[in-house]
Amino acid sequence: GAGVSQSPSNKVTEKGKDVELRCDPISGHTALYWYRQSLGQGLEFLIYFQGNSAPDKSGLPSDRFSAERTGGSVSTLTIQRTQQEDSAVYLCASSSTGGNTEAFFGQGTRLTVV
Amino acid sequence: AQSVTQPDIHITVSEGASLELRCNYSYGATPYLFWYVQSPGQGLQLLLKYFSGDTLVQGIKGFEAEFKRSQSSFNLRKPSVHWSDAAEYFCAVGGWGNKLVFGAGTILRVKS
Repeated sequence: GAGVSQSPSNKVTEKGKDVELRCDPISGHTALYWYRQSLGQGLEFLIYFQGNSAPDKSGLPSDRFSAERTGGSVSTLTIQRTQQEDSAVYLCASSSTGGNTEAFFGQGTRLTVV
Repeated sequence: AQSVTQPDIHITVSEGASLELRCNYSYGATPYLFWYVQSPGQGLQLLLKYFSGDTLVQGIKGFEAEFKRSQSSFNLRKPSVHWSDAAEYFCAVGGWGNKLVFGAGTILRVKS
């Protein structure tokens, strides 16, 4: 596609349920990021994929969070046993080669845990 | 380790006044520097970037930024602010093989 696509755009889930958030990066981009943005907060780095390298998971807040990237393209962020504090906008971005190039952002998935 | 500091959480300026948003970074090699803007309810959009060469870079919407290596700064400026510039602004630093690291953001309010 022309840009980074995220789905769903909105997700409401009950506390304790698992959720999956999807990101389709720009075709050919080797780098993919997930960030979290809580109300009134800045961008919180979650995870970074670069090509076939092991992902940088240093930003994942707990072991309930995981992400994978299949075939170097689509990525899924999974949150298990969701908590109310997980409510936020989850942003995905991709770039052609990494931190030396512009990152293009999707519109985000707004997750609400009730 | 890479880090970015945006010391101002909120800034309020009058429409037509000049603007400067501060950004300081820490990076061990040649930095690649970016400014992004996020309007309410929108995704992040690139305003401008610095890779090398001229230390004063021009971006979209009349914004410019100056890279000062000696001060580890990359401040964003605009000579005359418009009401539509009200948004949140993020500075970021990256490099070859590394991820982008973002600052906490500065919320700009424009008063008429």
